[in-house]
Amino acid sequence: GIQVEQSPPDLILQEGANSTLRCNFSDSVNNLQWFHQNPWGQLINLFYIPSGTKQNGRLSATTVATERYSLLYISSSQTTDSGVYFCAVNGLITGKLIFGQGTTLQVKP
Amino acid sequence: DTGVSQNPRHKITKRGQNVTFRCDPISEHNRLYWYRQTLGQGPEFLTYFQNEAQLEKSRLLSDRFSAERPKGSFSTLEIQRTEQGDSAMYLCASSFGANEQYFGPGTRLTVT
Repeated sequence: GIQVEQSPPDLILQEGANSTLRCNFSDSVNNLQWFHQNPWGQLINLFYIPSGTKQNGRLSATTVATERYSLLYISSSQTTDSGVYFCAVNGLITGKLIFGQGTTLQVKP
Repeated sequence: DTGVSQNPRHKITKRGQNVTFRCDPISEHNRLYWYRQTLGQGPEFLTYFQNEAQLEKSRLLSDRFSAERPKGSFSTLEIQRTEQGDSAMYLCASSFGANEQYFGPGTRLTVT
């Protein structure tokens, strides 16, 4: 099956810094989603981005499907950005999402 | 649009007991998914439905687990004879076709 790898596994930033999170996947995919998991476990949708670039406020994402990776950019980080960020993909013939192991982000004031 | 809802939010049970969780998807969504997440891991797929039909099941879904979606709306996930290894967060998601999936708040199961 498809393998999803996220890097780095952990990231510590000072408030106001920028960061880039990476997601590599091992095969062609139909869809790719980025999520932020809050401290209560809720997965918050950030981007639905099988290809191309999208922006939403301080966050943006780029997926290069032909090279099988996606990047999530966080600019001017805030303490509320802390948490775990997941990348998830689904393959061409299945509806299920396959998740990476996540990147745990801590933003210090 | 009230989002995906799950009940109960927390469940503590003794080993060997049966438990049932409920998921109500976003109303216009025809697909419903169940995932399980253990501490420090990403969610893992269990099963999904398109309308009433169960289209895919993971090998993780042992014969103690059963899921239903009888009228193509809400779904239930039952675990029989619970084991300590079943302790996890059980997440439900819904989508319209193979499009973006939206997750509920989860049911946290603790088996003592």
